[in-house]
Amino acid sequence: VQLVESGGGLVQPGKSLKLSCSASGFTFSSYGMHWIRQAPGKGLDWVAYISSSSGTVYADAVKGRFTISRDNAKNTLYLQLNSLKSEDTAIYYCARSSGRALDYWGQGVMVTVSS
Amino acid sequence: DIQMTQSPASLSASLEEIVTITCQASQDIGNWLAWYQQKPGKSPQLLIYGATSLADGVPSRFSGSRSGTQYSLKISRLQVEDIGIYYCQQASSAPLTFGSGTKLEIK
Repeated sequence: VQLVESGGGLVQPGKSLKLSCSASGFTFSSYGMHWIRQAPGKGLDWVAYISSSSGTVYADAVKGRFTISRDNAKNTLYLQLNSLKSEDTAIYYCARSSGRALDYWGQGVMVTVSS
Repeated sequence: DIQMTQSPASLSASLEEIVTITCQASQDIGNWLAWYQQKPGKSPQLLIYGATSLADGVPSRFSGSRSGTQYSLKISRLQVEDIGIYYCQQASSAPLTFGSGTKLEIK
């Protein structure tokens, strides 16, 4: 199992960014997937979940601004980040869901929101 | 939202010592509790799921237990490679919530 995030970077407040998570080594379409973030020096903060049938759930802090999606043909998970705020600065991890635990995590991608 | 109160915030222990970290859930979460280890500069790794089940490849010196709404992670014989930050996570209901973490160091 391998999860590789990409798409991070430095972005101005109010702007947008799209993160990708490329999955391999398992049947991607059969698993729910999560995005979790970690602000610098802080703990883990759950962001969003998408089920194998593409149902979605969001944390209140990102609802209406972030969109999780998946492309099973490309074995890829996405997170569209809109209306970014300084408090969204964090490492963003994708993780596979297994019985509601997160059994595999990517290496993370840094998103910095600053003017 | 379900709150997970984790303690202690930091812990310094000697090699081969027994270490215990606890998480208190703000309401009943059954066995929907997982533990993760995050080594410096790395992503978190699953240690325990279902409150007591050991994840694949995790050494048997790690174990999880439950007493009501209090959950514990025990390391039976601390090793150098066990340093890092440990987090609990409830999986009973959305939003998933994590404990604040326990930083484990070698004395």
